[in-house]
Amino acid sequence: SAVISQKPSRDICQRGTSLTIQCQVDSQVTMMFWYRQQPGQSLTLIATANQGSEATYESGFVIDKFPISRPNLTFSTLTVSNMSPEDSSIYLCSVLPGTGELFFGEGSRLTVL
Amino acid sequence: GESVGLHLPTLSVQEGDNSIINCAYSNSASDYFIWYKQESGKGPQFIIDIRSNMDKRQGQRVTVLLNKTVKHLSLQIAATQPGDSAVYFCAERSQAGTALIFGKGTTLSVSS
Repeated sequence: SAVISQKPSRDICQRGTSLTIQCQVDSQVTMMFWYRQQPGQSLTLIATANQGSEATYESGFVIDKFPISRPNLTFSTLTVSNMSPEDSSIYLCSVLPGTGELFFGEGSRLTVL
Repeated sequence: GESVGLHLPTLSVQEGDNSIINCAYSNSASDYFIWYKQESGKGPQFIIDIRSNMDKRQGQRVTVLLNKTVKHLSLQIAATQPGDSAVYFCAERSQAGTALIFGKGTTLSVSS
């Protein structure tokens, strides 16, 4: 299992600004992922955060908008850049410690005005 | 109990009833499937999983059924309780070590 802490848990931001979300895991994990959950919707994979190399982005998500860092096996950040109201979502960090389920953080609830 | 043949966004049941939540998955090559429960304001929590070499798996009060022929997954909750009220998501994985792809959620409401 894994315990994941995300910061901030929620924030209200102004249009055009950027926000960095932090994800800390209590153990070393190779696989770490970032998801977005828009209001009332399912989870959509943004990218796989690769340790020591550039993240792998899913279709529809680009590095300029969602830069990701993964400096070590227990920590990652996701930045939401130049925010607009359409970026209002829950952003979730998740890890795959073994071969089974993903473990999720509580999410970072972002509201863009 | 309450059951649905196709995915519905909401399901309302009485306490003590059995609930069945359905999900259609997209990739016939997926070899791992999982159900998550998400309560309001929280991240998804693991309920039960199943690998593609099985068609049924039971947990405590929950059962997952997998029908690979029609790419259908279901979650059965026995004796549903008010604490089961949440949004339930199915997810699939096409390759070991990769992320999960989530299906549409079903909001389960349990009334006393």
